[in-house]
Amino acid sequence: EVVLTQSPATLSLSPGEAATLSCRASQSVSSYLAWYQQKPGQAPRLLIYDASNRATGIPARFSGSGSGTDFTLTISSLEPEDFAVYYCQQRYNWPLTFGQGTRLEIK
Amino acid sequence: EVQLVESGGDLVQPGGSLRLSCAASGFTFSSYAVTWVRQAPGKGLEWVSLISTSAGSTYYADSVKGRFSISRDNSKNTLYLQMNSLRAEDTAVYFCAKGGTVASSSFDIWGQGTMVTVSS
Repeated sequence: EVVLTQSPATLSLSPGEAATLSCRASQSVSSYLAWYQQKPGQAPRLLIYDASNRATGIPARFSGSGSGTDFTLTISSLEPEDFAVYYCQQRYNWPLTFGQGTRLEIK
Repeated sequence: EVQLVESGGDLVQPGGSLRLSCAASGFTFSSYAVTWVRQAPGKGLEWVSLISTSAGSTYYADSVKGRFSISRDNSKNTLYLQMNSLRAEDTAVYFCAKGGTVASSSFDIWGQGTMVTVSS
């Protein structure tokens, strides 16, 4: 099983700042990594698929990079609605796995 | 509008059974893999099971293998999850989600979730 480790667990930033979230895989997942955003009481929303492709309707301030075992989600300038929990997910190997999440909170 | 709506969540005793449904609309259901993902209270996301477009392939997390069964009825645009031998640790919100045209995919459309509580 591919274990995805996200860091940091919690990130405290202010609106307008840039956010950098990390996801590290226990073995290579090539570029088959996605990022999701989840707000309290809501379903997850797909942000990035295959490491660097923005999903439909996702603002350009969200970008993804990486391949192999190290991946990054960057939010260039935080908006108030961006404070949420973010998960990475790999689709390279069965079983599919998610990271444990990074909570992005308002400082 | 592309939509997934789950139903069937309930309070059930340990050892009991439950069947969840997920009704799809707004897209060609038969052309996409679909999956179940769960989230225990206050915890992260856990992938549960996935079924390919024609139901030719099914995949399960080790934690549910042998107890849960995924199926789909493309004529009814509906996904199912039959859950047997339920345990307290199966308590979670269960989400269905739409994947891609290949079995292994990311998930671009999600339902709102249905709550399953396993308790005596």
